[in-house]
Amino acid sequence: DGGITQSPKYLFRKEGQNVTLSCEQNLNHDAMYWYRQDPGQGLRLIYYSQIVNDFQKGDIAEGYSVSREKKESFPLTVTSAQKNPTAFYLCASSNLGGWDTQYFGPGTRLTVL
Amino acid sequence: GNSVTQMEGPVTLSEEAFLTINCTYTATGYPSLFWYVQYPGEGLQLLLKATKADDKGSNKGFEATYRKETTSFHLEKGSVQVSDSAVYFCALGLIIQGAQKLVFGQGTRLTINP
Repeated sequence: DGGITQSPKYLFRKEGQNVTLSCEQNLNHDAMYWYRQDPGQGLRLIYYSQIVNDFQKGDIAEGYSVSREKKESFPLTVTSAQKNPTAFYLCASSNLGGWDTQYFGPGTRLTVL
Repeated sequence: GNSVTQMEGPVTLSEEAFLTINCTYTATGYPSLFWYVQYPGEGLQLLLKATKADDKGSNKGFEATYRKETTSFHLEKGSVQVSDSAVYFCALGLIIQGAQKLVFGQGTRLTINP
């Protein structure tokens, strides 16, 4: 089955620790995205990548970092510089070339204690 | 700027009631419009979309029409079921500097009672 996987589903970390969230897709999509969702709010774009070894900041990139070494993988690191890291993180992917639907993974809920 | 405003929730209806969730947008350019649905503890699923003015998107009994004159994309369903209980997000999509950007509304939580 084609799709997007995110792991783990729930993640707990102590304040001051960096943590990396996994996102893998087997849809052969060129573009991948990371969003953050807070209660009662819509999704906000953190980072996106249109091609391997290249990525751009979204609207709320501060305190986050990403890498895109393989087409199918786009891990997100939440660093200790992120002031309010507790949130639901969603990864998405899409084709390029005009507008294409973004497909979402199941999400990772990060709680920083 | 680009933004989406949705009807505030939560919305609670009885089974078989008629549903409308309002969505209006402001955008520079000509966006595509989307409704996504999120079930508890899950990611977002695309419910329907419309890519140009007067297009109607439909899926699973839900419909929405892209109204350029009123900058709206209201979601409707004639008879809701308990299984429709979820959070619904309206979003606009634009190509900005060669990249696809989705701008989301804040979401509307829908609860259907049997």
